[in-house]
Amino acid sequence: EPEVTQTPSHQVTQMGQEVILRCVPISNHLYFYWYRQILGQKVEFLVSFYNNEISEKSEIFDDQFSVERPDGSNFTLKIRSTKLEDSAMYFCASSEARATQYFGPGTRLLVL
Amino acid sequence: AQSVTQLGSHVSVSEGALVLLRCNYSSSVPPYLFWYVQYPNQGLQLLLKYTTGATLVKGINGFEAEFKKSETSFHLTKPSAHMSDAAEYFCAVRGNFGNEKLTFGTGTRLTIIP
Repeated sequence: EPEVTQTPSHQVTQMGQEVILRCVPISNHLYFYWYRQILGQKVEFLVSFYNNEISEKSEIFDDQFSVERPDGSNFTLKIRSTKLEDSAMYFCASSEARATQYFGPGTRLLVL
Repeated sequence: AQSVTQLGSHVSVSEGALVLLRCNYSSSVPPYLFWYVQYPNQGLQLLLKYTTGATLVKGINGFEAEFKKSETSFHLTKPSAHMSDAAEYFCAVRGNFGNEKLTFGTGTRLTIIP
């Protein structure tokens, strides 16, 4: 069964450093999403992406964040200058139109 | 705009007992509703979903949920709990257009008592 994959599974970085989180969505899906879950809290929407542009973003997704689909398979989330409060589990998801979002296993980011 | 309220951040049931996890939603458009399960240190796995049609939906692992528009509810049930059901359960809602985001509830941690 096709699945969303994410790399790395864990990332530790120093405050102020740039990180790139990678996702490979399900191959025939057209819509892509990033969510995050701070430890002990609910899953929060960050951004959705369709047709090579951002469709919607939350107030969390400020200028420090960016997304890109650099080729036909990868979908990345970049945090330019990480803060302590960026420590969280980051989930990538993908979907066909008007359908279920399938989530990857997540990348646990720890900012020291 | 959508929102989800999950009553009870922690629920404990005995093995073999009924599982009932509550979810109420608010949506300005006809909703799509979902239950996801998260096992420790893992990602989100879809349990079941309601989009249109039959209001009682069945999912994996013996779970089911009923969409009740009049009560704006989508409670998750399982007749007989199993130890392997111990996990965190998230209810989520989205609108019925294209690529709308999911809005999650705060989650319910289910503990199974042997």
